[in-house]
Amino acid sequence: RKEVEQDPGPFNVPEGATVAFNCTYSNSASQSFFWYRQDCRKEPKLLMSVYSSGNEDGRFTAQLNRASQYISLLIRDSKLSDSATYLCVVNGAGGTSYGKLTFGQGTILTVHP
Amino acid sequence: DTGVSQDPRHKITKRGQNVTFRCDPISEHNRLYWYRQTLGQGPEFLTYFQNEAQLEKSRLLSDRFSAERPKGSFSTLEIQRTEQGDSAMYLCASSAGTGGDQPQHFGDGTRLSIL
Repeated sequence: RKEVEQDPGPFNVPEGATVAFNCTYSNSASQSFFWYRQDCRKEPKLLMSVYSSGNEDGRFTAQLNRASQYISLLIRDSKLSDSATYLCVVNGAGGTSYGKLTFGQGTILTVHP
Repeated sequence: DTGVSQDPRHKITKRGQNVTFRCDPISEHNRLYWYRQTLGQGPEFLTYFQNEAQLEKSRLLSDRFSAERPKGSFSTLEIQRTEQGDSAMYLCASSAGTGGDQPQHFGDGTRLSIL
């Protein structure tokens, strides 16, 4: 089983749609969680951290369920510029492993006019 | 530009050759990470440094791979006797602090192609 699992998609949605991505992780001791965005042939960029209480940044909402080891990202009112690969990322469990990021395969999103 | 800088951007070489990549982190970032990404996959952790100390190495980092950060600033990643399976994007990231909880900022990567 992969440490971080995501549905690779692709998700094709019209502008203005709401889309949700899910992710599961295997190490229950993992301490912090992120969503990164990666455009085609570019480097990954931090989109947002994910907190147990849930957090929102504009049109983006991230949720974490530690009991189920499940992370989600919701994008509302999709824009063409949201088209990218969204990477679910889990930080190491502690000690020297903290800082070692484990990435999911990524979910491809295409927003069309 | 004060971001993470990687050199070269692209490297094409024949199988069996040695290659070396360089990464310059964001100034004063204590931590420096190397990842590898193949097509259709997320980046995979290779190794990281805290200042000049190499604290973790992945099992992916075979004995043909070596990384250094001698003065705690820039880092190099060397691959000896390259194989076709080494073809990938090699990404460097850096972060502030020493706890591993700070956001990692990635460079543009070095794309390696083995002929």
